[in-house]
Amino acid sequence: DTAVSQTPKYLVTQMGNDKSIKCEQNLGHDTMYWYKQDSKKFLKIMFSYNNKELIINETVPNRFSPKSPDKAHLNLHINSLELGDSAVYFCASSQDSRPETQYFGPGTRLLVL
Amino acid sequence: QKEVEQDPGPLSVPEGAIVSLNCTYSNSAFQYFMWYRQYSRKGPELLMYTYSSGNKEDGRFTAQVDKSSKYISLFIRDSQPSDSATYLCAMIYTGFQKLVFGTGTRLLVSP
Repeated sequence: DTAVSQTPKYLVTQMGNDKSIKCEQNLGHDTMYWYKQDSKKFLKIMFSYNNKELIINETVPNRFSPKSPDKAHLNLHINSLELGDSAVYFCASSQDSRPETQYFGPGTRLLVL
Repeated sequence: QKEVEQDPGPLSVPEGAIVSLNCTYSNSAFQYFMWYRQYSRKGPELLMYTYSSGNKEDGRFTAQVDKSSKYISLFIRDSQPSDSATYLCAMIYTGFQKLVFGTGTRLLVSP
C-alpha cells in the first residue's frame, strides 16, 4: 500500500501552460506539505496544510496555488509555467507537524520547455 | 549563506568502509536534527532523528549532534553498495514547523 502517492510521476509541458499535481496520503496524517527540489538536490518547503488550513506559505510566486479538499489530499496548481519551474516536486505528510513522522511521496518530475 | 551547509560530494568509498557525513548550521535555535536518505528518482526517507546534543545509534548508523559547534554527523559502519544514495540533513526548532534541509551529500559505495 502506497503511503503518499503523487500523480503524475512525470510532466513535460510548454512555457505558459497551466498544470496540476495531485497528492494523496493514506497514513491518517493531519498535515501535508509541498516541497521543491532543484537540479542541485536542494529541497525547500513551499506550503504546509494542517487539517485543510494553510500554515506555511513560503516565498513562492502566486502562480503556485495549493488546494486541500480534505485532510488526505493536497493538490498543487501552477499557472503560466516558466522554465525555472522545472524541478522535482515532493508531497509529504506528517502527524501534528511532528518532523519525525514526516513521510515523503515519490515526487513529480516537471520539465518546462 | 545558507542556514544549513553540506558538502555535495560525491563521496566515494570502498565497501566495508566507515563513512562520515556532516552538516554545519548557523541558527542556534535548531533543536531537532534529522538525516534522510534519498535514492535516485525516489523521495527522501527518514533514517535518524535526534533531539539536542549527543549520539544515537541504530544498527550500522550513528547520528551525532554537537550543538556547541553547530555540527551534526552521520556515521555509517560497514558501508554497503546499497548505501549509495544522497544523504540529506534537516533540522527544525520548536514552534517553527518547517524543516530546513542541507543540499545533500552523494555517497557512492563501490563493491
